[in-house]
Amino acid sequence: NAGVTQTPKFRILKIGQSMTLQCAQDMNHNYMYWYRQDPGMGLKLIYYSVGAGITDKGEVPNGYNVSRSTTEDFPLRLELAAPSQTSVYFCASSYSPGGSNQPQHFGDGTRLSIL
Amino acid sequence: KQEVTQIPAALSVPEGENLVLNCSFTDSAIYNLQWFRQDPGKGLTSLLLIQSSQREQTSGRLNASLDKSSGRSTLYIAASQPGDSATYLCAVYNNNDMRFGAGTRLTVKP
Repeated sequence: NAGVTQTPKFRILKIGQSMTLQCAQDMNHNYMYWYRQDPGMGLKLIYYSVGAGITDKGEVPNGYNVSRSTTEDFPLRLELAAPSQTSVYFCASSYSPGGSNQPQHFGDGTRLSIL
Repeated sequence: KQEVTQIPAALSVPEGENLVLNCSFTDSAIYNLQWFRQDPGKGLTSLLLIQSSQREQTSGRLNASLDKSSGRSTLYIAASQPGDSATYLCAVYNNNDMRFGAGTRLTVKP
């Protein structure tokens, strides 16, 4: 039972570099989400998807891009890394929107530092 | 704009004590409220989900209540154990938007 798998677990980037954070789920969930969590803060929604081919912005989308070509995968791309993007990134999925009837399932996170 | 606040930010109790964690939100137009547990270096695990039409949910030693009109929720943990030590976050959901509190870091001492 893999659930939600995020790779890599840790990464250090230089300012201006780009990278893709990977997220995969094996529960056939339509809804997927990307959050960031800064130290001592709650999670903030970056982007979400309600199904393959459909994505939309969350509360803090600037500096990020997403795509959803399959039900299983929801990668998050940073094009020009900035120090303000140093954070822990969590991917989540759910059967229903916002876990309205069943809860969201979270990955273990990707810890990203930009120097 | 929905804002979610959790008080206290940190709490330390001796084993066996009953305790209450608080969550408040500014906009009562919510679809549901969830309580999550987060262990260090890990993702979130959903503990309880309360629909807006419900008043409370229970799971084992955990009981969560919701008073939507006053914008408050509480998580009650009975007979706390050292294994309950973690950060507890609440989140409110409405219209594809989920807002989280900053969490309460709980330490249960043996």
